[in-house]
Amino acid sequence: ELKVEQNPLFLSMQEGKNYTIYCNYSTTSDRLYWYRQDPGKSLESLFVLLSNGAVKQEGRLMASLDTKARLSTLHITAAVHDPSATYFCAVDHNNNNDMRFGAGTRLTVKP
Amino acid sequence: EAQVTQNPRYLITVTGKKLTVTCSQNMNHEYMSWYRQDPGLGLRQIYYSMNVEVTDKGDVPEGYKVSRKEKRNFPLILESPSPNQTSLYFCASSFYGGLGNEQFFGPGTRLTVL
Repeated sequence: ELKVEQNPLFLSMQEGKNYTIYCNYSTTSDRLYWYRQDPGKSLESLFVLLSNGAVKQEGRLMASLDTKARLSTLHITAAVHDPSATYFCAVDHNNNNDMRFGAGTRLTVKP
Repeated sequence: EAQVTQNPRYLITVTGKKLTVTCSQNMNHEYMSWYRQDPGLGLRQIYYSMNVEVTDKGDVPEGYKVSRKEKRNFPLILESPSPNQTSLYFCASSFYGGLGNEQFFGPGTRLTVL
């Protein structure tokens, strides 16, 4: 059974510093997704990672995928105006849209 | 506007009273899915559908039913709701087949079962 583990679960960031969220999964998959959820809102897609070594960047976010290690990382550079948000990784079980989500990492930024 | 809609957005009901949460998408997506979100557990998939008349169980299907009679609609049915089904529910859709099918999520339905 596919298990997806994210850590840390909570992250208190300081402006301008870099942080990393880790997403480990337990079975073979080469489709990994990152989503963001603002408080009280729905989820929006950030990145789709489809192959070993894939790296994608947008603004202060950068995601990578190592399928051999079954690990994806999301790097964030914190900015003071960042609102609190929760970031989820999700793995496509069996590559047929049978999705398994991590528990989520809740980020806050200290001014 | 491309979107996934859910109704109702909020619902308080009592144990055993059948209810349906509707989900509709206007993007011609083949794939649709229901999730529940509980604190500390992330999102757990309840059921998903790869096309009309094709549905499959996700991680936590017990106590739920779905149907996919039309491509755009994927209702979630709770025949006899219980308090442990109190949760935030999300519907999502995407294209199916090929690669990289990011999902588009609806606004969520907050359900309380007393």
